[in-house]
Amino acid sequence: AQKITQTQPGMFVQEKEAVTLDCTYDTSDPSYGLFWYKQPSSGEMIFLIYQGSYDQQNATEGRYSLNFQKARKSANLVISASQLGDSAMYFCAMRGHYGQNFVFGPGTRLSVLP
Amino acid sequence: GAVVSQHPSRVICKSGTSVKIECRSLDFQATTMFWYRQFPKQSLMLMATSNEGSKATYEQGVEKDKFLINHASLTLSTLTVTSAHPEDSSFYICSARDPSEGYGYTFGSGTRLTVV
Repeated sequence: AQKITQTQPGMFVQEKEAVTLDCTYDTSDPSYGLFWYKQPSSGEMIFLIYQGSYDQQNATEGRYSLNFQKARKSANLVISASQLGDSAMYFCAMRGHYGQNFVFGPGTRLSVLP
Repeated sequence: GAVVSQHPSRVICKSGTSVKIECRSLDFQATTMFWYRQFPKQSLMLMATSNEGSKATYEQGVEKDKFLINHASLTLSTLTVTSAHPEDSSFYICSARDPSEGYGYTFGSGTRLTVV
């Protein structure tokens, strides 16, 4: 069975500072994909970044980067230069090699302070 | 990028009535769509996988007779909440993947259902 753990229910960060949102996972699949999604108060899920389990390099997308440590089974999201619009819920998710659906973590609520 | 359109965004219905939620993939074909339910301040829980031209696959504990899923075309999946009760009030959201857009799955904007 797959499981995602996000141990930070809430995080605060000062505007323009960097912040790391933690995510650890558990799976027995030989290959898998890790995702981060942002959910603002309006409810839509916005795809941020993807990391494949066999990718050699950490994924980056603009201000988002994924700190992937396979041996530790962690996939932390790093947001650089935080903006007020980054305030939202952030979900880490995983899709196994043999499945198409996601398993989501409980989420972290990020609040960016002016 | 890939767009998934979900309608309606909000609906209020009376107990005992049925509500249909539509999920459309725009500009791409989706043989598979996923339906999730999200309670306030909680994560998304997969309810069912909608397969075009065949029966949906429901997750354990989800009543298939209560949550009817139809995936009649490659761009449309519908979720019908039958005989709705207040405990069915929740946020329902669908997703699909456009293979030409990489690995990310695109989500609809969600439907907030309130049963009174």
